[in-house]
Amino acid sequence: SYELNQPPSVSVSPGQTVSITCSGGKLGDKYTCWYQQRPGQSPAVVIYEDNKRPSGIPERFSGSNSGDTATLTISGTQAMDEGDYYCQAWDSSTVVFGGGTKLTVL
Amino acid sequence: QVQLVESGGGVVQPGKSLRLSCAASEFTFSLYSVHWVRQAPGKGLEWVAAISYDESKKYYADSVKGRFTISRDNSKNTLYLQMNGLRADDTAFYYCAREVVTAIPYFDYWGQGTLVTVSS
Repeated sequence: SYELNQPPSVSVSPGQTVSITCSGGKLGDKYTCWYQQRPGQSPAVVIYEDNKRPSGIPERFSGSNSGDTATLTISGTQAMDEGDYYCQAWDSSTVVFGGGTKLTVL
Repeated sequence: QVQLVESGGGVVQPGKSLRLSCAASEFTFSLYSVHWVRQAPGKGLEWVAAISYDESKKYYADSVKGRFTISRDNSKNTLYLQMNGLRADDTAFYYCAREVVTAIPYFDYWGQGTLVTVSS
């Protein structure tokens, strides 16, 4: 079965840029989306179709996808960006999530 | 505002059954495919099952295939998950999520989740 791998945790200082990676075989041939889950809340999409932001998502969130790796980048990170981030792709007709990355804003 | 409200969670013994519901409102439920996604306490997201808008297509994760059944009643704007043969590793928050189709589908709305605890 298809797998997506993410680092368990990353940390960043406020105002700095952080990238969260998601790796999977030929992931660049698929579309990837990213979900943010703040503590105690349900997930919410922040990036879809590799690099598109839904309405209401700040411009500091961006995405890319090439080769075997998709990347979520947050520029000018704010304290409110702290939480868990999950990448997601499709494998045939089933949904695959990455294991999640805990973002800490120090 | 689109709403998805799960219910039916609780404590159940191993081997028993439980049915979850997800009530949808403020959108035309019958036009959307919907999914169940679960999250064990302190763990990551795991996709569980999906059903097409007209119930013609159903898909399941290998971990629940043969034990869980997804269904919907478009007249009641409600999604269901019948869970049989529950095991301890089915303990999780269960979320319903609406699928929106662009170039590739993604989940644009999620419910708040309902907790299922499988324990003797």
